[in-house]
Amino acid sequence: QQPVQSPQAVILREGEDAVINCSSSKALYSVHWYRQKHGEAPVFLMILLKGGEQKGHDKISASFNEKKQQSSLYLTASQLSYSGTYFCGTVGRTYNFNKFYFGSGTKLNVKP
Amino acid sequence: KAGVTQTPRYLIKTRGQQVTLSCSPISGHRSVSWYQQTPGQGLQFLFEYFSETQRNKGNFPGRFSGRQFSNSRSEMNVSTLELGDSALYLCASSSLGTGINEKLFFGSGTQLSVL
Repeated sequence: QQPVQSPQAVILREGEDAVINCSSSKALYSVHWYRQKHGEAPVFLMILLKGGEQKGHDKISASFNEKKQQSSLYLTASQLSYSGTYFCGTVGRTYNFNKFYFGSGTKLNVKP
Repeated sequence: KAGVTQTPRYLIKTRGQQVTLSCSPISGHRSVSWYQQTPGQGLQFLFEYFSETQRNKGNFPGRFSGRQFSNSRSEMNVSTLELGDSALYLCASSSLGTGINEKLFFGSGTQLSVL
């Protein structure tokens, strides 16, 4: 049930845009996005719930298409501070309790 | 409000030894989950504890175990260490446990190296 992320890595110049995709073979009720900077803890960015909503965090936004079972994270006019690894996460259910499945991550490197 | 605290930050062990990692969640959070992070594998779920009870577990051998205390602090134990256990071990706390609308707060992790 691990979601699939693409691309695995992106190199950008400051001010450029990027899109990170996350897809699942299972039905999704929500998609979570986290960012982890080198040597630091992953930090929550946003949760998207079923309903095709979009959310934003500074110049980072995301969409969720539950019919296609995928989510996309949009980084607009990227800044150096956006560098890090981005993970999407989905929630599945086993043993009668929820369980988190994270994608393998997309490494974003923003250069001056 | 203090964040999630993991100790120790770094550990070096040899094959066959055992190790115990500690995680103190955010005050008031009752759920602690553990993840193994290796390059290229992302975050692999180990287990989740809620109010001292294991709620769920991932696909790891029985050498990996955990527990949670009444103050919500959690420990993870790995016995008979193998080289492949070298990884960053992250814990995350949340108020109500893993849920579709529940965000996780991660600690900085314990970097375990097995020689």
